[in-house]
Amino acid sequence: KNEVEQSPQNLTAQEGEFITINCSYSVGISALHWLQQHPGGGIVSLFMLSSGKKKHGRLIATINIQEKHSSLHITASHPRDSAVYICAVKGESNYQLIWGAGTKLIIKP
Amino acid sequence: GAGVSQSPSNKVTEKGKDVELRCDPISGHTALYWYRQSLGQGLEFLIYFQGNSAPDKSGLPSDRFSAERTGGSVSTLTIQRTQQEDSAVYLCASFRLAGNTGELFFGEGSRLTVL
Repeated sequence: KNEVEQSPQNLTAQEGEFITINCSYSVGISALHWLQQHPGGGIVSLFMLSSGKKKHGRLIATINIQEKHSSLHITASHPRDSAVYICAVKGESNYQLIWGAGTKLIIKP
Repeated sequence: GAGVSQSPSNKVTEKGKDVELRCDPISGHTALYWYRQSLGQGLEFLIYFQGNSAPDKSGLPSDRFSAERTGGSVSTLTIQRTQQEDSAVYLCASFRLAGNTGELFFGEGSRLTVL
């Protein structure tokens, strides 16, 4: 079993829909990252969370430390949100990052 | 600089040649990571440096791969006797922890093609 699991692996939705991508982990962490990679593009950090919730524009990230679970939400989705979304956790005692496999999101106009 | 800078952005080499890829991280970032990404695949961890600690080399695929980070800043990833399966985009990222938050930035990558 992978230490960081993302779901779903693939998600196709219509423009305007509310999107949720999930990340569960089985190790102790000090922080969790959500990142975005557009097709053929670079990787951009969206959020780093250690507790609670963060919001940036139409993106919302939440984390529940007790349940070892985080979600990334996209409100009013748009075709330009189509990308791979990746969850990565940082260990408690070092800077090692453990990566999820990514969620490929396609938003259709 | 404002971001993580990698060079060269593209490198085409012949099988058997050595290559060096450079990463210039964001000033003050403690941790530096090297990953590679093959076409359509996820990130494959190679190595990471954290401050003055010994690097974690557990992801290096063979002894043809090595990396160093001089002066806690610039890092060089060296691939000796390149093979075709080494073809990938090599990504560098740097990270700084600041209290309960932090910054993780990726460079644009070095695309390596081994003919």
